[in-house]
Amino acid sequence: AQTVTQSQPEMSVQEAETVTLSCTYDTSESDYYLFWYKQPPSRQMILVIRQEAYKQQNATENRFSVNFQKAAKSFSLKISDSQLGDAAMYFCANYDTGKLIFGQGTTLQVKP
Amino acid sequence: DVKVTQSSRYLVKRTGEKVFLECVQDMDHENMFWYRQDPGLGLRLIYFSYDVKMKEKGDIPEGYSVSREKKERFSLILESASTNQTSMYLCASSLWSLATNEKLFFGSGTQLSVL
Repeated sequence: AQTVTQSQPEMSVQEAETVTLSCTYDTSESDYYLFWYKQPPSRQMILVIRQEAYKQQNATENRFSVNFQKAAKSFSLKISDSQLGDAAMYFCANYDTGKLIFGQGTTLQVKP
Repeated sequence: DVKVTQSSRYLVKRTGEKVFLECVQDMDHENMFWYRQDPGLGLRLIYFSYDVKMKEKGDIPEGYSVSREKKERFSLILESASTNQTSMYLCASSLWSLATNEKLFFGSGTQLSVL
């Protein structure tokens, strides 16, 4: 079965510092896609970054980057130079066989 | 601009009531999804649809049904609401498969309370 696990319910980081959010997943598919979504208090889900499993290179989007370890089925999100606006809930998600399955979420607090 | 609209932001219903949650997208998207979001459990897929009149069960379909009579509208139905269905419900849509670099667009959610 397709599963996604985020083992950190809450994380905090000092403004301008770097933080890493963890995610592990399980899938029987060889071709799949991984995502990180951000949900601020407005509740609007925002796509942060996307990784294709067949690509070995880790995806990056400005201050956001991932560490994709396919053999370990690990997909962590690194946020560099954290800003107050990064405070939100972050969800890891796995897409295969037509379904996007989410993890439990990690609430990120950014301290000024 | 792309838009997924959920009819209510907050909704309060009584146990046993029939509840309709409506979702409309204006992007001519093929795929539509219903999730529920609960603290500590994340988003869980209830039902999804790849085309008009088509539906597929997600991971937690029990107690729910869906209707997609028109391409732009995907309704989630609680036939007899129960207190354990108190949750936030999120609708989403995408044009094609997410494998084609398509994005998933979300509505703003409906916080449903069943008393």
